[in-house]
Amino acid sequence: DTGVSQNPRHKITKRGQNVTFRCDPISEHNRLYWYRQTLGQGPEFLTYFQNEAQLEKSRLLSDRFSAERPKGSFSTLEIQRTEQGDSAMYLCASSLDLQTGELFFGEGSRLTVL
Amino acid sequence: AQSVSQHNHHVILSEAASLELGCNYSYGGTVNLFWYVQYPGQHLQLLLKYFSGDPLVKGIKGFEAEFIKSKFSFNLRKPSVQWSDTAEYFCAVNLIKAAGNKLTFGGGTRVLVKP
Repeated sequence: DTGVSQNPRHKITKRGQNVTFRCDPISEHNRLYWYRQTLGQGPEFLTYFQNEAQLEKSRLLSDRFSAERPKGSFSTLEIQRTEQGDSAMYLCASSLDLQTGELFFGEGSRLTVL
Repeated sequence: AQSVSQHNHHVILSEAASLELGCNYSYGGTVNLFWYVQYPGQHLQLLLKYFSGDPLVKGIKGFEAEFIKSKFSFNLRKPSVQWSDTAEYFCAVNLIKAAGNKLTFGGGTRVLVKP
């Protein structure tokens, strides 16, 4: 499968713990995006990378959240000191650097904070 | 603030019925428009997209959408739905002049097609 891959698919953690999600984009795509989706809502933009550079961060991305894409390939999203409000589906998407490039989404990583 | 609105949260219809889902956006600039679908247990997939040219665009699985610039709308249609069209549908927009192709999504419409 050459699509966007995310893991783990599900993560259950206790409040206060740290969690990390990984995203492997489609190999030739140089843009990578993180979105968050809660029940009954559409995906909300968190941040995006062009190659290894993080070019934009949403105000939704509090100081407890950090994302990296160290070599311009895979990316990680870490949430420190998780809170119950962090429970959501975290979606990764990738695209080519084109004005009209569509986003290709992974299946998401579902976080449940107890 | 820029936003995307989908008028219906839930739609229930029978097979062979026609489907129309509304989408309005509030961007002032030139936009690209998308409809994504999420089938149960699957990832978001692109149904169709509008960048320029003919405002009536056709996508996969018999779906089409019409861009009406004066109404800031991009409604999705299918003349005759099937049970397999049961899914959640998301309208999304990006600003052409904005960096990064970042998409802003509507809240989604959950469609249930009864066999």
